[in-house]
Amino acid sequence: SYELTQPPSVSVSPGQTANITCSGDKLGDKYVSWYQQKPGQSPVLVIFQDNKRPSGIPERFSGSNFGNTATLTISGTQALDEADYYCQAWDSRTRGVFGPGTEVTVL
Amino acid sequence: EVQLVQSGAEVKKPGESLKISCKGSGFSFTNYWIAWVRQMPGKGLEWMGIIYPGDSDTKYSPSFQGQVTISADKSISAAYLQWSSLKASDTAMYYCARHGPPDITVIVDGAFDIWGQGTMITVSS
Repeated sequence: SYELTQPPSVSVSPGQTANITCSGDKLGDKYVSWYQQKPGQSPVLVIFQDNKRPSGIPERFSGSNFGNTATLTISGTQALDEADYYCQAWDSRTRGVFGPGTEVTVL
Repeated sequence: EVQLVQSGAEVKKPGESLKISCKGSGFSFTNYWIAWVRQMPGKGLEWMGIIYPGDSDTKYSPSFQGQVTISADKSISAAYLQWSSLKASDTAMYYCARHGPPDITVIVDGAFDIWGQGTMITVSS
């Protein structure tokens, strides 16, 4: 089965840039989505089709996907961006797959 | 308002059956895939399966195939997740989510743009 890997945690200072990676075999050939989940809340879509932002998502969230790695970038990170972030893609049999999640801490 | 509203929390005993629901409003429920996602306590998101209410076409994750049943009733804009015999390991939060955004029709091109509030299932003797 298709697997995605993410670093367990990323720390960033307020105002700095956070890069969260997601790796998988030939991931660049697939579309990747990213979700933000804060404690006690449902996930929220922040990036779809590698680099598109849904309506209402701040411009500081951006994405890229090349080779085997997709990256979610949070520019000018704010305290309210502290959350768990999950990448998601689809396997060859049209089944969804989530990465294990990355906890972003804003120090 | 576009939303998915899930049924309330449940406390069940091992071996009992259960069916939880997810009702959509504010959009054409029949024309969107609806997925179910599990989140065990303190853990990450797990994709369980997805259904197209228009024709009930369903796809399951290998990890959940045979363990749960996903169904839908398009006449009332509802999707369901069902267990015939619960286990303690089924204790988790379960989310439904809409496949979107609206102009994306190919599954592998899309994401989950609208999420329900979650249904907490506790299975304990």
